[in-house]
Amino acid sequence: AQKVTQAQTEISVVEKEDVTLDCVYETRDTTYYLFWYKQPPSGELVFLIRRNSFDEQNEISGRYSWNFQKSTSSFNFTITASQVVDSAVYFCALSEANTDKLIFGTGTRLQVFP
Amino acid sequence: NAGVTQTPKFQVLKTGQSMTLQCAQDMNHEYMSWYRQDPGMGLRLIHYSVGAGITDQGEVPNGYNVSRSTTEDFPLRLLSAAPSQTSVYFCASSIGRNSANEQFFGPGTRLTVL
Repeated sequence: AQKVTQAQTEISVVEKEDVTLDCVYETRDTTYYLFWYKQPPSGELVFLIRRNSFDEQNEISGRYSWNFQKSTSSFNFTITASQVVDSAVYFCALSEANTDKLIFGTGTRLQVFP
Repeated sequence: NAGVTQTPKFQVLKTGQSMTLQCAQDMNHEYMSWYRQDPGMGLRLIHYSVGAGITDQGEVPNGYNVSRSTTEDFPLRLLSAAPSQTSVYFCASSIGRNSANEQFFGPGTRLTVL
């Protein structure tokens, strides 16, 4: 069965610090997709990135970077030089190709203080 | 495009009442889903649909019914509301027939059952 674990419930940092949000997943499928979504205080859910199981290249987008490691079943998310606007709940999610279900982790609340 | 719309935004019910949460999308997406979000639990999949006339259960389907008579609409019905169904409900859609693609979320419906 598919499962996503985000062990960090809440993280607090001061602006300009780097922060890494951990995501560990479980799946029996060889083909699967991993996602990160952001939920700012306004409540909407915003898509950040998708990765498929055959693409282990790390991704960088501005201050955001993602590290996908199949050997440890992890898909971690790093924010460099954090800003107050990064304050949000971040969700990692997993979809197996054979199930059509997108399963979320419990989320990590990030608070960035000025 | 309006994207994914949900009505109502807020609702208060008494135990035992029934109601339907509406969800519509104007992007011609085949895949639609319903999630509930509870503190500390993340988003949990209630039901999903890979196309008109096709629905299936997610992680927490009990107490909820769905139907998909058109591509655009995916209503969620609570037949007999219970306090345990107090939650924020999100509808989502994505292109294609599975959840491998980015999902677009509605703004959510906050439901309180007394």
